[in-house]
Amino acid sequence: DQQVKQNSPSLSVQEGRISILNCDYTNSMFDYFLWYKKYPAEGPTFLISISSIKDKNEDGRFTVFLNKSAKHLSLHIVPSQPGDSAVYFCAASSGGGADGLTFGKGTHLIIQP
Amino acid sequence: EAGVAQSPRYKIIEKRQSVAFWCNPISGHATLYWYQQILGQGPKLLIQFQNNGVVDDSQLPKDRFSAERLKGVDSTLKIQPAKLEDSAVYLCASSLVGDAEQYFGPGTRLTVT
Repeated sequence: DQQVKQNSPSLSVQEGRISILNCDYTNSMFDYFLWYKKYPAEGPTFLISISSIKDKNEDGRFTVFLNKSAKHLSLHIVPSQPGDSAVYFCAASSGGGADGLTFGKGTHLIIQP
Repeated sequence: EAGVAQSPRYKIIEKRQSVAFWCNPISGHATLYWYQQILGQGPKLLIQFQNNGVVDDSQLPKDRFSAERLKGVDSTLKIQPAKLEDSAVYLCASSLVGDAEQYFGPGTRLTVT
């Protein structure tokens, strides 16, 4: 039973356009959500997060949207750059973020020139 | 600031052998996590420490896996005996107490033959 789902294994986007990565969750106890970026042979790197009391958080080119009623979040990258090509993981936590993370399977984002 | 250190980076063993991984978290991070990432999956939490106490080990296969964090700093994760399905990347992460943002090390890639 996957509690965090990323249904798109891969996504191809043209450089300069918007990349939208989606994530769904099933556990109502999750109250903190994070996105991590991972390059090959490296550990995941924190990108952006959002608390369940908010519906949007923005950091530079990255924006995360949370729809609690739909149990859905998305990561928007605008504009997409070649260095954004990586695997993106959606993760969720309960206990205000103090608990361990539950990850999705990841989406491989490919930015085409 | 130095990141999370892990060693070894790669390990190949035969099934039924034992193996140990080492992690040194970021200085000042009292919370330490071990995750297992099987190919094509997201990281899965194995165990969470706060200082040298276990917070959550509900997903740790305790018949063969063990972990300790003596003195509340470095940690070791041991598998004994290893099975083929233990082939994975083992990731260590650390965070400040109560902080959802976890910082990951580069991981140890274990291959069991």
